[in-house]
Formats: sequence, C-alpha cells, structure tokens
Amino acid sequence: SQQGEEDPQALSIQEGENATMNCSYKTSINNLQWYRQNSGRGLVHLILIRSNEREKHSGRLRVTLDTSKKSSSLLITASRAADTASYFCATWQYGNKLVFGAGTILRVKS
Amino acid sequence: DTGVSQDPRHKITKRGQNVTFRCDPISEHNRLYWYRQTLGQGPEFLTYFQNEAQLEKSRLLSDRFSAERPKGSFSTLEIQRTEQGDSAMYLCASSLALAGGPETQYFGPGTRLLVL
Repeated sequence: SQQGEEDPQALSIQEGENATMNCSYKTSINNLQWYRQNSGRGLVHLILIRSNEREKHSGRLRVTLDTSKKSSSLLITASRAADTASYFCATWQYGNKLVFGAGTILRVKS
Repeated sequence: DTGVSQDPRHKITKRGQNVTFRCDPISEHNRLYWYRQTLGQGPEFLTYFQNEAQLEKSRLLSDRFSAERPKGSFSTLEIQRTEQGDSAMYLCASSLALAGGPETQYFGPGTRLLVL
C-alpha cells in the first residue's frame, strides 16, 4: 500500500508561476525524497531531505520537512513547460525501501 | 555511465503465459530494486538485492513471482502463469549503498506489461 498522499492530485499553472505540492506520510522516516516522472525520462530523483533537516534547496526546487506533522512540501519556482510531469514523494523506511505516494500531476502551460 | 537499462520495454502476453524481464543496473551499484507501478499510482516496492542476496520481498510478490541476481550484476524478474492483474509497469532501480548514508536510487525506463 502507498505510504503517503500527495496534494493536490493535479495542478495546472502558467509558465513562470510557482508550483507547490504537499506530501503527508504515516510512519517515522529516515529521509524523504522527491522524484519526477515523465514519459520521456522515466523516474528521476530530484532531492533528498534527511529527517533532521527542515529545508533544502536545489536550483529552482525548495523542499521543506515537518516531522511533527509528518508532512513535506515541494516548491518549484518560475516553472517551465519542461516541468510538466508527475511528482512523487517517497519515504525511506527502515528495512531499506522507498515507499512512494500516489503523486501530483503538474501541467505547466506555455 | 549508461544508466539503468531494462529489457524489454514493452511486453504483451496472454493470460497463463510466463514472462521474464531483465534489468542491468549501473555497474558499480551494489543494490538493485524491483517496483511495480499501476496507472495513477506511485511505484510499489517488490523486492531488493544487496549484491546477489535477495534481502527483502514484499507481500505483493506472490509465489508466481521470482527474482534473481545470480552474479550480483544484472537481475531478472519472472512472472509465471500471468494474470490480467499483473498488467503494470515494472521498474528496476539501482543504488550504491554506503554504511550509514542515505542512498539515491536510479531508475530504469521500465517494462510495460499487458496481459490479455
């Protein structure tokens, strides 16, 4: 079964706008990761945040983690048409496995 | 570094037939994972190997499923007596696991299976 839930399920924005996706999970984690999936490149790792970190940046990506609320958010700034994809959060569970949410479908209109 | 490759990319089979998928990981990676993904859902963990040892299997992996990684390099996933419910994308990922450190998994393009 899926570990967490992404919110919203789908998001449509104009190029240049910011996109925010949220993820909630259920159990204690070691780290949380965000992945992007599109038909052209498959599933690609974007960013990892450890359980003792609260915020992390990578280029146009900003990830936050609130372990007390068991939630994370991914912000993509100045979105581009090429950002159109499905975005998944995944929690690293003890036992060495990633547990993915159901994903957010992002569409960036040019 | 050519990335993770999977073969075939697509497979159509009739119910009851056996199918086998292959995954070639990034060469220096010691861990290899198999996932299944159905439409509208995220990938679900099936099993993983550390070198040639299969260390964990999900309850999703019924007796009809078997995975091997005989020499700690490539891996195969076999599904026997396929059922329509097996239709999904099968993803392989590999990683370099270092003691105490977080690991990033690198995914292949997947094998899309359709059981008629």
